Amino acid sequence: DGGITQSPKYLFRKEGQNVTLSCEQNLNHDAMYWYRQDPGQGLRLIYYSQIVNDFQKGDIAEGYSVSREKKESFPLTVTSAQKNPTAFYLCATTGVGNTGELFFGEGSRLTVL
Amino acid sequence: KQEVTQIPAALSVPEGENLVLNCSFTDSAIYNLQWFRQDPGKGLTSLLLIQSSQREQTSGRLNASLDKSSGRSTLYIAASQPGDSATYLCAEETSGSRLTFGEGTQLTVNP
Repeated sequence: DGGITQSPKYLFRKEGQNVTLSCEQNLNHDAMYWYRQDPGQGLRLIYYSQIVNDFQKGDIAEGYSVSREKKESFPLTVTSAQKNPTAFYLCATTGVGNTGELFFGEGSRLTVL
Repeated sequence: KQEVTQIPAALSVPEGENLVLNCSFTDSAIYNLQWFRQDPGKGLTSLLLIQSSQREQTSGRLNASLDKSSGRSTLYIAASQPGDSATYLCAEETSGSRLTFGEGTQLTVNP
């Protein structure tokens, strides 16, 4: 069954801890994205990657890190440097050369206690 | 800085009504405009994508239009149903495969 899988769906973290959110896709898409969504707001781009072993900062990259060692995987680490990490995190993909349509995972909700 | 604005922020209608959601964008160098649906606590589902060379796209009861000169897009929902209740977001793609999202319109269709 093709799609994008994000895990965990819910995550609680103590202040000062790093946490890694997983995003896996079997759509054979080249480009992958991480967005953050806060209540009542639109999505803001954290990082994106258009090809394996390469990624770029988005609009709010501070306090986050990513890697793209495999085409299928684009994990996001929320570090202790992120001042306000409680949010809903969404991973998305789009295939190079297609119409530009974005496909999203189901999201991961991170709560800092 | 490019901005995307959606009006209204919330809308409540009785079942069966036709309705229009509005999206305004500031960057005229647009590649495409996408409309998404988001159910509570879920990811986004792509509804319609309009390329910059197109004026509208249709899918079932949904019709989206694009007017680059005025910086506007509308999403028309015909014969609304309770199952249409969700938040609808528009997003503008300009360059570098990056999208700018609006804040969304929360739609409630009452039986």
